[in-house]
Amino acid sequence: AQSVAQPEDQVNVAEGNPLTVKCTYSVSGNPYLFWYVQYPNRGLQFLLKYITGDNLVKGSYGFEAEFNKSQTSFHLKKPSALVSDSALYFCAVRDSKSAGNNRKLIWGLGTSLAVNP
Amino acid sequence: SAVISQKPSRDICQRGTSLTIQCQVDSQVTMMFWYRQQPGQSLTLIATANQGSEATYESGFVIDKFPISRPNLTFSTLTVSNMSPEDSSIYLCSVGGSGGPYEQYFGPGTRLTVT
Repeated sequence: AQSVAQPEDQVNVAEGNPLTVKCTYSVSGNPYLFWYVQYPNRGLQFLLKYITGDNLVKGSYGFEAEFNKSQTSFHLKKPSALVSDSALYFCAVRDSKSAGNNRKLIWGLGTSLAVNP
Repeated sequence: SAVISQKPSRDICQRGTSLTIQCQVDSQVTMMFWYRQQPGQSLTLIATANQGSEATYESGFVIDKFPISRPNLTFSTLTVSNMSPEDSSIYLCSVGGSGGPYEQYFGPGTRLTVT
């Protein structure tokens, strides 16, 4: 079965330190992978995606993610965390079994990131 | 990117009643999606709404409970019918992004509490 796992419910980092939010996936075929962020009292925002090409993809707000096919992972990273990065982060993968242009995504449970000043 | 608004932003409703949530997009889009985000849980796709055709519902969701309208390319509504406390959730609409396959833009959500 296709799935996305975010093994950590919460990640705590100090401001200025690097951060990593983990995501692993299980899909058939080539994965299309996404990260979204949900700030408090705001809607979900697209951060970045991997479709093909370089394994390291760069996105909004200084975030990047590394696609690792052998480990079936797509961890989100940032070299230096900001307090304003505190939010809920969701990893998602294309449902490769969805028909036609349905564009269905399979979502992880989310990881709450807290950046401490 | 598309700008999406939802009404109402939140509501408290009594069980047995119905609530219609509106989703307005500032540009014409083919596909709109309705999600549910229950407390402490991830997003669950309710249905996909294309203009001019019946909505496509995911497993576990039925039209009688969650009727959807899509009268034009910028607007959709989701009705939560005959509500029970289990329907308490955040309801989100989203649209396909212009940045490529599967990229989506989301509305701010409607926080529904059923008492």
